[in-house]
Amino acid sequence: DVKVTQSSRYLVKRTGEKVFLECVQDMDHENMFWYRQDPGLGLRLIYFSYDVKMKEKGDIPEGYSVSREKKERFSLILESASTNQTSMYLCASSSRDATTFGSGTRLTVV
Amino acid sequence: DQQVKQNSPSLSVQEGRISILNCDYTNSMFDYFLWYKKYPAEGPTFLISISSIKDKNEDGRFTVFLNKSAKHLSLHIVPSQPGDSAVYFCAASAGRDFGNEKLTFGTGTRLTIIP
Repeated sequence: DVKVTQSSRYLVKRTGEKVFLECVQDMDHENMFWYRQDPGLGLRLIYFSYDVKMKEKGDIPEGYSVSREKKERFSLILESASTNQTSMYLCASSSRDATTFGSGTRLTVV
Repeated sequence: DQQVKQNSPSLSVQEGRISILNCDYTNSMFDYFLWYKKYPAEGPTFLISISSIKDKNEDGRFTVFLNKSAKHLSLHIVPSQPGDSAVYFCAASAGRDFGNEKLTFGTGTRLTIIP
């Protein structure tokens, strides 16, 4: 069974902290994505990567960065967490046939 | 600028009846469309897709219709079952045949099936 695993289901962080969200896929996919889901706004793309060490900005990259040192791992970094980054974060990986999502990380910034 | 729109935030349907979820898009470059289903505290799961070269795709109880001239697609679920209660997201991509799997999502429709 193919899997996208996000390391934490729930996180609570303080304003100004540096936050790392980790995502690992076991499908040997080249493409990986980070989205955030907010009520009334749907899923919005933050960053994506088509290959190791490659990254592209999505629609809302401000306040975020990413790292892809290995094919199976794609990390989202909040350089200095703010309360408006409280959200559900979803990692996904894809081949041409399908995009598979992880279960999500509910991040609360206080 | 919302390129994929789901204008109904919620929909309630009696069990056994047909559920129809709608989605409109503005970007003419979109050529592949998908529907995802999402339960609370879980990631979205793929439901059904359609390429722009088709106008209908069917998979069991789920059928997606695409009207390219109107830039409109719809998902029909028949018959609706209580387990179908979830949030449904419409998504679109451009250039999938060339390796672009980047998806643009709508805002979602919460479907509630009434027993």
